[in-house]
Amino acid sequence: EVQLLESGGGLVQPGGSLRLSCAASGFTFSTYDMSWVRQAPGKGLQWVSAMTGSGGGTFYADSVKGRFTISRDNSKNTLYLRMNSLRAEDTALYYCAKVGRSYYFDFWGQGTLVTVSS
Amino acid sequence: EIVMTQSPATLSVSPGERATLSCRASQSVSSNLAWYQQKPGQAPRLLIYGASTRATGIPARFSGSGSGTEFTLTVSSLQSEDFAVYYCQQYNDWPLTFGGGTKVEIK
Repeated sequence: EVQLLESGGGLVQPGGSLRLSCAASGFTFSTYDMSWVRQAPGKGLQWVSAMTGSGGGTFYADSVKGRFTISRDNSKNTLYLRMNSLRAEDTALYYCAKVGRSYYFDFWGQGTLVTVSS
Repeated sequence: EIVMTQSPATLSVSPGERATLSCRASQSVSSNLAWYQQKPGQAPRLLIYGASTRATGIPARFSGSGSGTEFTLTVSSLQSEDFAVYYCQQYNDWPLTFGGGTKVEIK
């Protein structure tokens, strides 16, 4: 059974940093691309970032490019999202998602909440 | 960026009736289109990928159609557990983009 468990969210001041983690199990982690998708309170879904299975390729939404860094440790079956220079508009529930055979998301975690506020 | 537009924003349907949801892309996405269902307090769940292929475990009452810029998700006979918000997503080009969602509510 595929499981994705996010952690690392919390309250942070504008301009601050956080690192999110996503622990994966139930599939061969290193062979699948992975992604982060966020959802602001009461709003829709927004794709944030993705990484290839090997870690050799990364992709970012323009709104986070230069501030967020996606990474993975395939020996630990864990995906990360380092978030710097956080803004109020980054406040959201951040989901970790497994990429299917193409870039749709076939499994999702339950999310970790990031709140950026002074 | 490819803009995905869903309509209507809210759809009021009685249990047992058919629901038809639309998703339009600002440029062609071929068949690289997925649909998700999200219930309150839950993560999204993949329903359809490739515009028309049901994901594992998805009931046959859910069907997807379309290609290019016009797509439809149909729920043939709404069950109580189907009242939720539905999102489409294109994966034909970067950045990946979602529609704004259609809320299916009980009439």
